[in-house]
Amino acid sequence: AQSVTQLGSHVSVSEGALVLLRCNYSSSVPPYLFWYVQYPNQGLQLLLKYTSAATLVKGINGFEAEFKKSETSFHLTKPSAHMSDAAEYFCAVRRRNTGFQKLVFGTGTRLLVSP
Amino acid sequence: NAGVTQTPKFQVLKTGQSMTLQCAQDMNHNSMYWYRQDPGMGLRLIYYSASEGTTDKGEVPNGYNVSRLNKREFSLRLESAAPSQTSVYFCASSETRQGGSGRVQGEQFFGPGTRLTVL
Repeated sequence: AQSVTQLGSHVSVSEGALVLLRCNYSSSVPPYLFWYVQYPNQGLQLLLKYTSAATLVKGINGFEAEFKKSETSFHLTKPSAHMSDAAEYFCAVRRRNTGFQKLVFGTGTRLLVSP
Repeated sequence: NAGVTQTPKFQVLKTGQSMTLQCAQDMNHNSMYWYRQDPGMGLRLIYYSASEGTTDKGEVPNGYNVSRLNKREFSLRLESAAPSQTSVYFCASSETRQGGSGRVQGEQFFGPGTRLTVL
């Protein structure tokens, strides 16, 4: 079964520091990969997605993620954290197969940004 | 264009009571989903509807039923609520269209959630 592992349930950074949120997937065939963000008391919003066009994917709010097949990873980064980035981030995976495929989420990483 | 809307936003039930969570989308999407979110467990799929007229079980369907009322609306029913169903429930929708090599699914759009407490 498809799955993703997010290392670290909480990550703390200072404002202006690099943000790195880790995600590893398990699949014999590279799947579609997604990062979602959830702000307090809100639903999830898509940050970016990997569908195979390019291994470095740029998303909204200055975030980007790089697909590395050799490491089965899709880590999320942002060069300089902002206070408004404090939220919970979810990595998700979906098979490339034809037919209807379900989205499977990781357990989430809460990003804390201190002044 | 409201996107995905959910009602109610908050609900407190007693064990054994029933209720229906409502979800509607105005994006003309084919597919709709119900998830529950629990601390440390991410989002888990309860039921989904790939297209109007079809529903299927997800990862954690026990204790729930769903109805795809029409293309816009997808409701989730708890017939006899249990404390283990205390959670935040999210509805989502996505476009699914027929491509050359099969179905192509678009991005899922999420509603704001319903926070349910079962005492």
